[in-house]
Amino acid sequence: NAGVTQTPKFQVLKTGQSMTLQCAQDMNHNSMYWYRQDPGMGLRLIYYSASEGTTDKGEVPNGYNVSRLNKREFSLRLESAAPSQTSVYFCASSKSRTAYEQYFGPGTRLTVT
Amino acid sequence: GIQVEQSPPDLILQEGANSTLRCNFSDSVNNLQWFHQNPWGQLINLFYIPSGTKQNGRLSATTVATERYSLLYISSSQTTDSGVYFCAVMEYGNKLVFGAGTILRVKS
Repeated sequence: NAGVTQTPKFQVLKTGQSMTLQCAQDMNHNSMYWYRQDPGMGLRLIYYSASEGTTDKGEVPNGYNVSRLNKREFSLRLESAAPSQTSVYFCASSKSRTAYEQYFGPGTRLTVT
Repeated sequence: GIQVEQSPPDLILQEGANSTLRCNFSDSVNNLQWFHQNPWGQLINLFYIPSGTKQNGRLSATTVATERYSLLYISSSQTTDSGVYFCAVMEYGNKLVFGAGTILRVKS
């Protein structure tokens, strides 16, 4: 099992460009999440999908959109990148949204210039 | 929302020493996890421990939910233990909230 995989690993964007971060899990988990980690800080939740077909905002959703493509895949889109979105992005999954362990992908390091 | 405080913020150990990291949280939780973020940025699950005590090799963790704290013990530390240790908690029906982390440096 690969667990949670993310692509790409690194990305540099110019201000105003768009891109989609991809995430997939092979653990048959129902819930998936996108977090961002800024230097010297813990992770903050951007969006989550409690189950296939549903998505909800987290703590810092502005400037992002998500798509739960199927049970395995959950993508994060930046429509018009801004320097404030320079961060490391982590995808995670869990069996369900509450009371279950979350497992994290390796992260995508995004720089917006 | 729930507040999570970790202490100490920084810790430097000589290889072979023991340490205790603390996580305090401000409300009842039904999910508490400890993670190790290694120097390459990877987040590694250490414990899922909303209550009780668990051990895994040189690491162990205890959560006292009624007193709203959790402790992570590292014994006989090794240089590979270096990195950042995060505690994350979830209020029922809500989101996982991370503490700011403890930066651990183990010197040989």
